[in-house]
Amino acid sequence: AQSVTQLGSHVSVSEGALVLLRCNYSSSVPPYLFWYVQYPNQGLQLLLKYTTGATLVKGINGFEAEFKKSETSFHLTKPSAHMSDAAEYFCAVSDRGGSQGNLIFGKGTKLSVKP
Amino acid sequence: DADVTQTPRNRITKTGKRIMLECSQTKGHDRMYWYRQDPGLGLRLIYYSFDVKDINKGEISDGYSVSRQAQAKFSLSLESAIPNQTALYFCATSDLSAGGKYNEQFFGPGTRLTVL
Repeated sequence: AQSVTQLGSHVSVSEGALVLLRCNYSSSVPPYLFWYVQYPNQGLQLLLKYTTGATLVKGINGFEAEFKKSETSFHLTKPSAHMSDAAEYFCAVSDRGGSQGNLIFGKGTKLSVKP
Repeated sequence: DADVTQTPRNRITKTGKRIMLECSQTKGHDRMYWYRQDPGLGLRLIYYSFDVKDINKGEISDGYSVSRQAQAKFSLSLESAIPNQTALYFCATSDLSAGGKYNEQFFGPGTRLTVL
């Protein structure tokens, strides 16, 4: 079965610092991977996704993530944090070509950005 | 206008009451989902529907039921609400086109439900 582990339920960075949010997955087949962001009092919004092809994926708001099969990881990074990046981030995995096509979410990482 | 809408946005109810949460979408997607979010637990799938005649239980369906009234509408019911159903509930959609093959999902704004 697929599973997702997000390391660190809370991450705090200073404005302008590197953001690194960690995600590891477990899958018997190469998965489709997603990062979603949830701003306060809002629903989830897709940041980026990996399906096939280039392993470095660029998303909205300057975020990117790299799929590393050997490490079963899909960490999310941003070179310079902005106050507006404060939110909760969820990594998710989907079965590749699975008939159910469901997403399995990690437990989330809350990002705080200090001035 | 939002593509995926949920009503109500907030609801406070009492133990034992029947509650219905509604979700509507204008994206034309065939797949719809209900999740609940609890602090520290992420999102967990309650029910999902691939079309009007296809309803499936998710990870945590006990105590919940759903109705897919039309392609665009998917309702979640709590027949007899209990306090541990207090949570944030999200509806989501996806389709069977290229985006749906990867199961990219689009979320509504959520319904915050409190059961006293």
